[in-house]
Amino acid sequence: EVQLVQSEGGLVKPGGSLRLSCAGSGMTFNNAWMSWVRQAPGRGLEWLGRIKSKTAGGTTDYGAPVKDRFIILRDDSKETVYLQMNSLKPEDSAVYYCNTDSSGSRYWGQGALVTVSS
Amino acid sequence: DIVMTQSPVSLAVSLGERATINCTSSQILFYSSNNKNYLAWYQQKAGRPPKLLIYWASARDSGVPDRFSGSGSGTDFTLTISSLQAEDVAVYYCQQYYNTPRTFGQGTKVEIK
Repeated sequence: EVQLVQSEGGLVKPGGSLRLSCAGSGMTFNNAWMSWVRQAPGRGLEWLGRIKSKTAGGTTDYGAPVKDRFIILRDDSKETVYLQMNSLKPEDSAVYYCNTDSSGSRYWGQGALVTVSS
Repeated sequence: DIVMTQSPVSLAVSLGERATINCTSSQILFYSSNNKNYLAWYQQKAGRPPKLLIYWASARDSGVPDRFSGSGSGTDFTLTISSLQAEDVAVYYCQQYYNTPRTFGQGTKVEIK
């Protein structure tokens, strides 16, 4: 059974940083392209970015609201993908989900709540 | 960026009746080299991550009841629930994966009338 297990989120002050992790199991992780999506309270889904598998180049793409502030990394030896969030703003407060990026996103993590507030 | 527009924003349907959700993309999602539309549908229940229902615009994911169906091509797509069940109360999203950023529709809330 494929599982994506995310680390806990947390409370961060504006301008601060936080790193989320997402560990995969039951899948060939090093072949997987992985994405991050967030959902602000009461709002819709917002795609943040994606990292390709290393065999596909390992490159990243980001959505405009987080480009230059967020970085997606992967460590295939740990079967884990990370979302490094820098220069956080109150409007970044949301539940953050990792997911597999294929023909649609079949597998999702459980979500991590991030609150950016002073 | 490709803009995805869903309608209606919310929908109330009687149990056993049909629910229809529309999704329009600002660019064609059909790739002629493989004859596929790069469009997925998700169901999200309160407090849960989204669940993939449909991919390639009309392929039902494993374990998804056959009352869910997807149709359409190019820029216009539809998700149909043929006979609404109580457990189908949720928000439904379309998403294009033709290119990045992979954009979502704004969601359609389905409720029981």
